[in-house]
Amino acid sequence: ETGVTQTPRHLVMGMTNKKSLKCEQHLGHNAMYWYKQSAKKPLELMFVYSLEERVENNSVPSRFSPECPNSSHLFLHLHTLQPEDSALYLCASSQAPQSSYEQYFGPGTRLTVT
Amino acid sequence: GENVEQHPSTLSVQEGDSAVIKCTYSDSASNYFPWYKQELGKGPQLIIDIRSNVGEKKDQRIAVTLNKTAKHFSLHITETQPEDSAVYFCAARQNTGNQFYFGTGTSLTVIP
Repeated sequence: ETGVTQTPRHLVMGMTNKKSLKCEQHLGHNAMYWYKQSAKKPLELMFVYSLEERVENNSVPSRFSPECPNSSHLFLHLHTLQPEDSALYLCASSQAPQSSYEQYFGPGTRLTVT
Repeated sequence: GENVEQHPSTLSVQEGDSAVIKCTYSDSASNYFPWYKQELGKGPQLIIDIRSNVGEKKDQRIAVTLNKTAKHFSLHITETQPEDSAVYFCAARQNTGNQFYFGTGTSLTVIP
């Protein structure tokens, strides 16, 4: 596997379910990001981990809970979601922010909340 | 914070013609400007970027120009091909901090 991978690619869940999204990067980066992509809106940054420490949390509801166990893996734990949370969730990675700029994205997880 | 605006939201061109997508930004501290291409069912892919110390960068049929004074930058695709059809996003970022600010995207259709 190369680049940034995400699983699952598609997820349908009810509002009372608990599920997790997984991201893995094979680029040797040490910063990872979660974005939400909704139609007709700019990408919304949700969380940033740099060197496995959360450094950004953009007022995301607590029903979204990130976890970064190491520099290669990132999870987004979901519980009691709302229908408006349906979107494409994108993971990205980059090298430590102050030393490089390029950010690489995974293919995304298409989430539908019913 | 930074505000990035992107135009047009949709663009259709004939195969072989050129396509231009424009973005403006508000924060003069922004100094890195990437462009991403997103095909259906895929994540955004970095296609070209420019830093604030240069005014233009070219990679085969793709070029990006930056006007720091006016705070705008543009993506130019020449000799367009059907496989260029996708959604294109611009973004801006400062030297410090972790956040990229994205435009709302341009859906480009190249008509064979």
